[in-house]
Amino acid sequence: DQQVKQNSPSLSVQEGRISILNCDYTNSMFDYFLWYKKYPAEGPTFLISISSIKDKNEDGRFTVFLNKSAKHLSLHIVPSQPGDSAVYFCAAIYADNFNKFYFGSGTKLNVKP
Amino acid sequence: NAGVTQTPKFRILKIGQSMTLQCAQDMNHNYMYWYRQDPGMGLKLIYYSVGAGITDKGEVPNGYNVSRSTTEDFPLRLELAAPSQTSVYFCASSYGRGRSYEQYFGPGTRLTVT
Repeated sequence: DQQVKQNSPSLSVQEGRISILNCDYTNSMFDYFLWYKKYPAEGPTFLISISSIKDKNEDGRFTVFLNKSAKHLSLHIVPSQPGDSAVYFCAAIYADNFNKFYFGSGTKLNVKP
Repeated sequence: NAGVTQTPKFRILKIGQSMTLQCAQDMNHNYMYWYRQDPGMGLKLIYYSVGAGITDKGEVPNGYNVSRSTTEDFPLRLELAAPSQTSVYFCASSYGRGRSYEQYFGPGTRLTVT
C-alpha cells in the first residue's frame, strides 16, 4: 500500500526551462512533506520541505506547492540547470510519528544543455 | 564534519552468509535509521533508533537486526543472507522532535546476494 506516489519515472527538460515534478499522497493526515535529491552512488540530500499548514514554500530556484484538497504536491525548478539532473524523491511524515518517512518511488530528471 | 558514513560501499555475499553494515554519524543526532532501496522503488525503512539502547522495527525488518550502543554508531546485521536482500542500503540520522525533520543520509552500501 503505497501512500506516496510519483507516477512519472522520468522527466526530460531543456536547460533554462521549468521542471515540474509531481507527487500524490493518499493519507490526508500527513503533516509535513519533503523533497530529496539523489545523484548516482550518493545518498539522498534534503532539498526543500513544506508543512501541511502552508501551500507554498520557496527556496531560490526551488518552490514546492501543496494542494491538500487534491492530495498533491509539486516541485518547481526554475530555471533548470544540467546540474539538477538527478532522481527526486518526495516524502511525507506524520508529526506524531516523524521517524517514519513515506517515500515515493522517485522521478529521474534529465536537464539537457 | 564527516556527516553520515557507511562501510563498506559494495559487498557480494553468498546465500546463507552473514555480514554487518556499519553506519556512523558525527552530528550528535539522537535518531538514526536504516533504509533499503530496491530498483525503481522508494526507500523502505528497516529499523530505526531514537537513542542509544533503543531500537524499533520499521516497515521491512525481517532478516535484519540492529543495535545502538552509542549515539554515533548504528550497525545493521544481516543473518543468513538471501537473494531478496540484494539492494542498496542507506543509513540516515536526524535531530528529532523539536528540530528540523530533515534526515541526513550516508552514501549507501550496495549489496548483492548470489
